[in-house]
Amino acid sequence: QSVLTQPPSVSGAPGQRVTISCTGSSSNIGAGYDVHWYQQLPGTAPKLLIYGNSNRPSGVPDRFSGSKSGTSASLAITGLQAEDEADYYCHSYDSSLSSYVFGTGTKVTVV
Amino acid sequence: QLQLQESGPGLVKPSETLSLTCTVSGGSISSGSYYWAWIRQPPGKGLEWIGSIYYTGSTSYNPSLKSRVTISVDASKTHFSLELTSVTAADTALYYCARHEGAAAGRRWFDPWGQGTLVTVSS
Repeated sequence: QSVLTQPPSVSGAPGQRVTISCTGSSSNIGAGYDVHWYQQLPGTAPKLLIYGNSNRPSGVPDRFSGSKSGTSASLAITGLQAEDEADYYCHSYDSSLSSYVFGTGTKVTVV
Repeated sequence: QLQLQESGPGLVKPSETLSLTCTVSGGSISSGSYYWAWIRQPPGKGLEWIGSIYYTGSTSYNPSLKSRVTISVDASKTHFSLELTSVTAADTALYYCARHEGAAAGRRWFDPWGQGTLVTVSS
């Protein structure tokens, strides 16, 4: 069972803004460890979307943004596009488990 | 451009050892302050970090798997490997290798990833 909780699904119309939460605790996000986000398109390997809480790798559109506050983090997608339909995972480190941990994953649907 | 490619048997019998190799091209395992990681994803489920290795051989493992996992780097520093002993059906998953990047422990992320290889545990 993951220590980082995400909503199972979120949906939005093309052009809308959606956000995905990643809720942790005082032993991971709340302890100051960075949060990273990955996008997994159907049938493909995860791809880094956000690193270090809010940094975008080269090539990632600025429609994707990340933030962190307290024991939670969020990924926002603005101007939602059909190609954004995918699973999204947050990732951090947990000091109690001494392990890198992933969120439960969120499926984004463009309706 | 750095690329990673997993290889190994797609079917392993229960109680036997799963062995996979990740070949790194377009870069060297011994360059930079990178670790190299294995991550798995059971069909239809989420991601689980298995462990990471530095080119010197220094390793860190997921405590939940530590007793059964060995990650190693070959002498030529062109590939690294995963061994998982005493496998059961619960170990059936897509296995990914990835570069584990970042300045400090606890702040590292995975990028890039290999395409993944499906390993099924079944008799």
